[in-house]
Amino acid sequence: NAGVTQTPKFRVLKTGQSMTLLCAQDMNHEYMYWYRQDPGMGLRLIHYSVGEGTTAKGEVPDGYNVSRLKKQNFLLGLESAAPSQTSVYFCASSYSRRLSLNYGYTFGSGTRLTVV
Amino acid sequence: SQQGEEDPQALSIQEGENATMNCSYKTSINNLQWYRQNSGRGLVHLILIRSNEREKHSGRLRVTLDTSKKSSSLLITASRAADTASYFCAGGFSGGYNKLIFGAGTRLAVHP
Repeated sequence: NAGVTQTPKFRVLKTGQSMTLLCAQDMNHEYMYWYRQDPGMGLRLIHYSVGEGTTAKGEVPDGYNVSRLKKQNFLLGLESAAPSQTSVYFCASSYSRRLSLNYGYTFGSGTRLTVV
Repeated sequence: SQQGEEDPQALSIQEGENATMNCSYKTSINNLQWYRQNSGRGLVHLILIRSNEREKHSGRLRVTLDTSKKSSSLLITASRAADTASYFCAGGFSGGYNKLIFGAGTRLAVHP
């Protein structure tokens, strides 16, 4: 099925551990995004990418790094996890600006991360 | 920072009733989008209305946009239990990276 796939779906980390969240899309979308969702706060943008090999900071980038080595994949890394990073993480993708006026984002199903 | 603020935060109705959710935003936008999120799932794009449009329909959904008041509303007609979900508005900007800023959402419960 076409769409955005996130792995893993659940993870528990100890403070200070590292991990990588993987996002893969098969819709040939140019743009990809990582959001975190916390209760009562909606979604906040962590990092985004407008194409292979490019990344940029969003609203809440501290403590996270990203890479987009291939157009279809967007990785989110936590180098030293902290309890404040306990959240649900969503990856999304979209067409480029030229096509964007008729399309929204396509989201993955999320990764629930708990840092203890 | 949140672009959209939904009202009400929670809404409980009976099947067959209409559900209206409102969204206010702070800065000028190119489009306003609505998304649905079922419990434990990702967001699903419902409808997009451009800044030069005032009303848009899609099935049982009706969206209005008032740029002078910086507000939008989502109406779901003849609601069903399957409409139970959280609904988010998001202000969209077509420049740059297709920036979207989401509100905190409205939790809708439709009771059989």
